[in-house]
Amino acid sequence: DTAVSQTPKYLVTQMGNDKSIKCEQNLGHDTMYWYKQDSKKFLKIMFSYNNKELIINETVPNRFSPKSPDKAHLNLHINSLELGDSAVYFCASRGSHVGYGYTFGSGTRLTVV
Amino acid sequence: GENVEQHPSTLSVQEGDSAVIKCTYSDSASNYFPWYKQELGKGPQLIIDIRSNVGEKKDQRIAVTLNKTAKHFSLHITETQPEDSAVYFCAASGYSTLTFGKGTMLLVSP
Repeated sequence: DTAVSQTPKYLVTQMGNDKSIKCEQNLGHDTMYWYKQDSKKFLKIMFSYNNKELIINETVPNRFSPKSPDKAHLNLHINSLELGDSAVYFCASRGSHVGYGYTFGSGTRLTVV
Repeated sequence: GENVEQHPSTLSVQEGDSAVIKCTYSDSASNYFPWYKQELGKGPQLIIDIRSNVGEKKDQRIAVTLNKTAKHFSLHITETQPEDSAVYFCAASGYSTLTFGKGTMLLVSP
């Protein structure tokens, strides 16, 4: 079983469209994250949720809206996609009692054309 | 907030050589320092970590050292193999979010 799974793995869409990326973790972790990795491989935090509550919201355009229906899921919805949104988006989770290491998903490569 | 600097950005070594990647951090409250390996098309994977109450940690061919006074920590890989080729990230955190370095692309030539 995959610990942190993201879907879809690849997403190609036109400018202006709205799309969603889903993330699920089966580790029983309390905290989940969305990271954006640009073409230079830099990993930048976007959002963090703890037990379904938003705890970190970095300077991300409000076109990006995370939703956590339960603590095992954290989805990312993006409105009005722009060319600059093209990147790889990683979901990650962290437990509160087993150390501070993150477990990452395999990523969603978003290409906006 | 925390700022993590990582060097070098690219490192090329011959198989069997050692590789060293260095990071510095800015927040003296940071107490957890993990290292991640990212292979092509995959997510970052934790390979080793160290906490601020420890100066060095080893796991087979991989070791991490931490100098709290200087706010430096380093990853050492001995007897490198072609399968060690990947992007390596250092990170630092206190009790909240990890801040990542910008990554080092390690290339190990046979």
